[in-house]
Amino acid sequence: GENVEQHPSTLSVQEGDSAVIKCTYSDSASNYFPWYKQELGKRPQLIIDIRSNVGEKKDQRIAVTLNKTAKHFSLHITETQPEDSAVYFCAFGGNNRLAFGKGNQVVVIP
Amino acid sequence: NAGVTQTPKFQVLKTGQSMTLQCAQDMNHEYMSWYRQDPGMGLRLIHYSVGAGITDQGEVPNGYNVSRSTTEDFPLRLLSAAPSQTSVYFCASSYVDGYTDTQYFGPGTRLTVL
Repeated sequence: GENVEQHPSTLSVQEGDSAVIKCTYSDSASNYFPWYKQELGKRPQLIIDIRSNVGEKKDQRIAVTLNKTAKHFSLHITETQPEDSAVYFCAFGGNNRLAFGKGNQVVVIP
Repeated sequence: NAGVTQTPKFQVLKTGQSMTLQCAQDMNHEYMSWYRQDPGMGLRLIHYSVGAGITDQGEVPNGYNVSRSTTEDFPLRLLSAAPSQTSVYFCASSYVDGYTDTQYFGPGTRLTVL
């Protein structure tokens, strides 16, 4: 299957600080890169996505950056809040087929 | 809209039993898929469908069957349950338009096979 790696696997940040999660993918033909947030016991929910023709996208405190040459994309969360504590999954692909990473646990310490 | 719905929420089976996990969506999405989620493994694609009457295998299809007789429904069948199929199962759907790849997930079914 497609190879995708997420780093770090667990990230602890102080409330108010920024969190960055990096995802590396293998398929250079991929054109769609979403990030999903999953709270304990709940379904994954899309928080932001980016297409291969865009280098960066921002939505309030969340941003995603894409480096196609290096085949990695990152999730940036600024001014973290306790409700940002969750598992975050990156995915990549296109034409509806997505390969998911194993997830990053983000813990925001009040 | 109810979005993507799944039933049951929880299920316990004995080894060898069969059952069907139900998935329905009311967003008129052509694409539907089934994932399983195991601790530390992320989401792995089991089967998917790009429209009624069309299904295909994903990354981990063994032990599962699917069919797509309508746009709305995409049931997942376990013919002979095994303990290795203990997992949380998510159904997802999206449009197929070459641009909108956003997948919407159902609430999940937590399955335990004894």
